[in-house]
Amino acid sequence: DAGVIQSPRHEVTEMGQEVTLRCKPISGHNSLFWYRQTMMRGLELLIYFNNNVPIDDSGMPEDRFSAKMPNASFSTLKIQPSEPRDSAVYFCASSLGGGSYEQYFGPGTRLTVT
Amino acid sequence: SQQGEEDPQALSIQEGENATMNCSYKTSINNLQWYRQNSGRGLVHLILIRSNEREKHSGRLRVTLDTSKKSSSLLITASRAADTASYFCATVNNYGQNFVFGPGTRLSVLP
Repeated sequence: DAGVIQSPRHEVTEMGQEVTLRCKPISGHNSLFWYRQTMMRGLELLIYFNNNVPIDDSGMPEDRFSAKMPNASFSTLKIQPSEPRDSAVYFCASSLGGGSYEQYFGPGTRLTVT
Repeated sequence: SQQGEEDPQALSIQEGENATMNCSYKTSINNLQWYRQNSGRGLVHLILIRSNEREKHSGRLRVTLDTSKKSSSLLITASRAADTASYFCATVNNYGQNFVFGPGTRLSVLP
């Protein structure tokens, strides 16, 4: 298996632009997680899907952030409009079933908003 | 505040020595997981220990869990330069949700 795949790996955009991050989880995994990592705040869970349904989105910072999982093999995290404080590394992870199993992380997307 | 807090924040040792990192948490958990992150990479799962377990081993890694003290420790024996990384603990609540990562311990193993 190729592992969790994220794209793009790097994204540089100007403030106000829309940003879409993509994730393909490991085949057969039922749960998908989006995290954000910064030096100041560490690793934060943004949203967690189970069987394509959002279970916990309490970590989504504000309405500018939205996430979808239209099917078991694809998820997107969208920021609209983007702001410089959104600059971070965004990780997607998947697991066999929620928190009872280990999570497999993708390589991350490094987002820079200027 | 962080549910999981690793201690120390940074640790520097010589190759061959043992490294011990601690994690404290505040609320009841279903399990606690340890991850490693090499610079610029995603996190890699190391060990998952459930609330009814006290100790687990995996190769050179040993994890203990003390639910009465709400703490866990990760021991890396006979460290190698390749063990240089940041190590995170993550707690999962009794509903199998609320994944909270601590700020991590940066381990440097000097050759």
